[in-house]
Amino acid sequence: IAGITQAPTSQILAAGRRMTLRCTQDMRHNAMYWYRQDLGLGLRLIHYSNTAGTTGKGEVPDGYSVSRANTDDFPLTLASAVPSQTSVYFCASSERGSTDTQYFGPGTRLTVL
Amino acid sequence: DAKTTQPPSMDCAEGRAANLPCNHSTISGNEYVYWYRQIHSQGPQYIIHGLKNNETNEMASLIITEDRKSSTLILPHATLRDTAVYYCIVRSWGKLQFGAGTQVVVTP
Repeated sequence: IAGITQAPTSQILAAGRRMTLRCTQDMRHNAMYWYRQDLGLGLRLIHYSNTAGTTGKGEVPDGYSVSRANTDDFPLTLASAVPSQTSVYFCASSERGSTDTQYFGPGTRLTVL
Repeated sequence: DAKTTQPPSMDCAEGRAANLPCNHSTISGNEYVYWYRQIHSQGPQYIIHGLKNNETNEMASLIITEDRKSSTLILPHATLRDTAVYYCIVRSWGKLQFGAGTQVVVTP
């Protein structure tokens, strides 16, 4: 069982470009989450999805969009990347919803120049 | 969710028990105490969680005081691979709110 996979592992992106970070889980978890981690700020929630077909905004949603077409995949899109979106992005999932234990992927390191 | 207070860092000798304290004096009755850790450049890893009773699993033990205002995570036999930032989080529902955590360094 792979758990949660994220792709790419790292990426350097020019400002203004569009980028989609991929996240896939094979645990059949209902809920999925996207966090960003910046030095000195800890992990902050960007968007979440409690079940396929639904999404919600987290603490720092501006500049990001998500979709949840099926249970396994939860892509995060930066429509027009800016340097302040340079960060490490973690995807997570939990079995039922926001009260359950969350399990994290390995992360994507994104640099926007 | 209640805020937590952890020491910024601590050292532990390999093979000894590591006792990581966490204060959560404003915790409410329906809030759980969760512990995660993050090894450098990896995603956060779930360790253990509890509500009132002490808990133990293959990774660690969690001791929660009777008034629930503080807790201690115990790594019974620390190894070099336990070097990480350990996060104590209090939540009832909703997002995990990660603070600065405790940087634990296990030394030979």
